[in-house]
Amino acid sequence: DTEVTQTPKHLVMGMTNKKSLKCEQHMGHRAMYWYKQKAKKPPELMFVYSYEKLSINESVPSRFSPECPNSSLLNLHLHALQPEDSALYLCASSPDRAAQETQYFGPGTRLLVL
Amino acid sequence: GESVGLHLPTLSVQEGDNSIINCAYSNSASDYFIWYKQESGKGPQFIIDIRSNMDKRQGQRVTVLLNKTVKHLSLQIAATQPGDSAVYFCAERGNTGFQKLVFGTGTRLLVSP
Repeated sequence: DTEVTQTPKHLVMGMTNKKSLKCEQHMGHRAMYWYKQKAKKPPELMFVYSYEKLSINESVPSRFSPECPNSSLLNLHLHALQPEDSALYLCASSPDRAAQETQYFGPGTRLLVL
Repeated sequence: GESVGLHLPTLSVQEGDNSIINCAYSNSASDYFIWYKQESGKGPQFIIDIRSNMDKRQGQRVTVLLNKTVKHLSLQIAATQPGDSAVYFCAERGNTGFQKLVFGTGTRLLVSP
């Protein structure tokens, strides 16, 4: 099983809403990632969790709050977002060993902030 | 700073042709490279990877070539099919941490029947 799943597929929210994006993998990977991708642009790294601890935060605004409840799950909590935060949010995972860096991506959640 | 770029934003080919997608990188310390394929509405899909101690690696219908002298990476797709139509991204692991990939700007491959 090389699948990373993400829910929901689509999300529309207002600027005062609180919502969460969910990601799950059952490959035994110990590193999980959140990326943001705007239209016609490459993915941009937001956060990295390694062994359920936050290891990289790419200076992401605090209105994005990641959480890793266990080694299979990764959440991204959203609060008070701006319209410019509308994008495809991608989750990825990797084995988290230096010799095995291949990151496997989920299908993404397409977020629209009104 | 680090940058990974592509020479051609769009590549149009006929079905059955061989396709070559190019990528230039600027970080000579990068030691691992990946090609991803992203179809419309989907997440990036791993195609093939290569480490800096290699100059060529082959997969099924795909070959990645690495030229460290000129910091150039290419993806060759043999007998291109309409299902190969997608955006292709190269990504590199630089010297800022093994978990961090830097993505190139992407090339759209259009395959016409």
